[in-house]
Amino acid sequence: DAGVIQSPRHEVTEMGQEVTLRCKPISGHNSLFWYRQTMMRGLELLIYFNNNVPIDDSGMPEDRFSAKMPNASFSTLKIQPSEPRDSAVYFCASSPDRSRQPQHFGDGTRLSIL
Amino acid sequence: GENVEQHPSTLSVQEGDSAVIKCTYSDSASNYFPWYKQELGKGPQLIIDIRSNVGEKKDQRIAVTLNKTAKHFSLHITETQPEDSAVYFCAASGGYKLSFGAGTTVTVRA
Repeated sequence: DAGVIQSPRHEVTEMGQEVTLRCKPISGHNSLFWYRQTMMRGLELLIYFNNNVPIDDSGMPEDRFSAKMPNASFSTLKIQPSEPRDSAVYFCASSPDRSRQPQHFGDGTRLSIL
Repeated sequence: GENVEQHPSTLSVQEGDSAVIKCTYSDSASNYFPWYKQELGKGPQLIIDIRSNVGEKKDQRIAVTLNKTAKHFSLHITETQPEDSAVYFCAASGGYKLSFGAGTTVTVRA
């Protein structure tokens, strides 16, 4: 079975540029999560979608960050304009339903902003 | 919100020995406790989980115990092998949101 698929795996870009990260959740999963992982802050939830609708975006750090889920099989996380402090590994995860269900993670996008 | 503390931060064991990682949580409403293993360059992979109506769960060499009264849960790995070397994360949840511990780097010495 295909797991959560993220692209690109690595992204290096200059400060001020727009960055778009992509995620394809596991087929049939209703919930999708975007996380950011850094050494200092660990794994942080950025935003949670259920049935393609954003339910909780309280973890989105600033207005520079936005996320969309136009359909059940695709989501994007966009940073515009990017800053060096946005450098981190960004993970997408999906789960079958809202609560008490395992979240399955993709292998992440390692983002470096120069 | 939920606060999860994880200990130790690093753990080195001889191959064949056992490894134990402990976590505590703060929110008594939490009722789902997954454990993840993360290898270098990969995403966290679910290895075992436990729900609040169960005190212990075992899957081959991995076991998890839960003490809801004390708000403690632990991961036990027996007969460790080199491929068990990774970072392990505990997490707690009362709904959709997982609160993660800071992680334990486990090194299995051959």
